[in-house]
Amino acid sequence: NAGVMQNPRHLVRRRGQEARLRCSPMKGHSHVYWYRQLPEEGLKFMVYLQKENIIDESGMPKERFSAEFPKEGPSILRIQQVVRGDSAAYFCASSPLSSGSLNEQFFGPGTRLTVL
Amino acid sequence: AQSVTQPDIHITVSEGASLELRCNYSYGATPYLFWYVQSPGQGLQLLLKYFSGDTLVQGIKGFEAEFKRSQSSFNLRKPSVHWSDAAEYFCAVGFSFSGNTPLVFGKGTRLSVIA
Repeated sequence: NAGVMQNPRHLVRRRGQEARLRCSPMKGHSHVYWYRQLPEEGLKFMVYLQKENIIDESGMPKERFSAEFPKEGPSILRIQQVVRGDSAAYFCASSPLSSGSLNEQFFGPGTRLTVL
Repeated sequence: AQSVTQPDIHITVSEGASLELRCNYSYGATPYLFWYVQSPGQGLQLLLKYFSGDTLVQGIKGFEAEFKRSQSSFNLRKPSVHWSDAAEYFCAVGFSFSGNTPLVFGKGTRLSVIA
């Protein structure tokens, strides 16, 4: 069973360009979380999605950021008109459908975004 | 607001020495508690977790953690550190009682191991 896959692993963009980060959850997992890690910081929650639904986006910046998890295909975190402050590591985690107790989140290797 | 505090930004220990990394949380009830380890440039690996029951939990790589409700703490310990344990350690907490909940992370403790 492959783990959580993220691509690309490294992404370089110039200011004003768009960044698209992809996350394929573990097989059988229907919940996806995106976290952002700024340099010297812990991970901060951005958005929580199930297939075709955004469950909690309380950590997403109000502008330029969006996320989706379509019925088919990976989850996408999209950042429009990137700025230098968007430079960070973006981690995706997945978990299975809840069975009543908290399910462990399995993390991908991350995408390291650098904005020039 | 719920929060997680890791008071130590950087700890250095000698190989073979014991280790304790501190984690405190702020919440009115018992949350779900996790410790993750991150090697440079890598993702996060789960070391151990606490949901309920025995307050001393065993994890991988010889790590253990003890939940102390009275102190709102979940400190990570290892009796004898190996050089390969050098990494960043994150305490994380799930504050919701629903099955799936976003995690709140501490800022991490960087562990250095010297010979």
